Amino acid sequence: DTEVTQTPKHLVMGMTNKKSLKCEQHMGHRAMYWYKQKAKKPPELMFVYSYEKLSINESVPSRFSPECPNSSLLNLHLHALQPEDSALYLCASSRAGLADLTDTQYFGPGTRLTVL
Amino acid sequence: QKEVEQNSGPLSVPEGAIASLNCTYSDRVSQSFFWYRQYSGKSPELIMSIYSNGDKEDGRFTAQLNKASQYVSLLIRDSQPSDSATYLCAVNIPSVSGTYKYIFGTGTRLKVLA
Repeated sequence: DTEVTQTPKHLVMGMTNKKSLKCEQHMGHRAMYWYKQKAKKPPELMFVYSYEKLSINESVPSRFSPECPNSSLLNLHLHALQPEDSALYLCASSRAGLADLTDTQYFGPGTRLTVL
Repeated sequence: QKEVEQNSGPLSVPEGAIASLNCTYSDRVSQSFFWYRQYSGKSPELIMSIYSNGDKEDGRFTAQLNKASQYVSLLIRDSQPSDSATYLCAVNIPSVSGTYKYIFGTGTRLKVLA
């Protein structure tokens, strides 16, 4: 089973709202990722957690705040977003973490975010 | 210079033909390579990974890797209209901290014509 789940599937929010995206996996994977994908572009890495610790932050604005409460859960807290933040937000997980060059990432279905 | 390059397409092939998708990468240290398929509005789905020079086959898909030429390709035999999607090449690139992360190519849009 290589299932990563994400909720909600769709989210519409205003620029003053606070919302959260949730990602879950029960495969025992030790690395979890947040990506942002705009239309007709490849996924862009935002954050990586390895063994529940933030390992990579790709200079993401502070209006995006990741959280990894446990090894199965990953959240992305959103606050004061801009319309240009509208995109598909993808969560992924991988078995071994960042030190394994053969580690394969499995993606969840994504959350389609619209910021008004 | 882009780290991972793909022709954006669209690449149009007739049903039943072989579709050939190509990817080049700039970092000679890269050791692992992945092909993902992404339907419009959906998330990337892993097709296959390849780590060693040569060919790797899985059903109608064959990945080919040539590290000397820094080139990885994906062949789809007996292409079907359901194969119409964007194909993303991902390369696992080492960082200075000793960890790895994916770098994606821009993707090639494939159209299989019935």
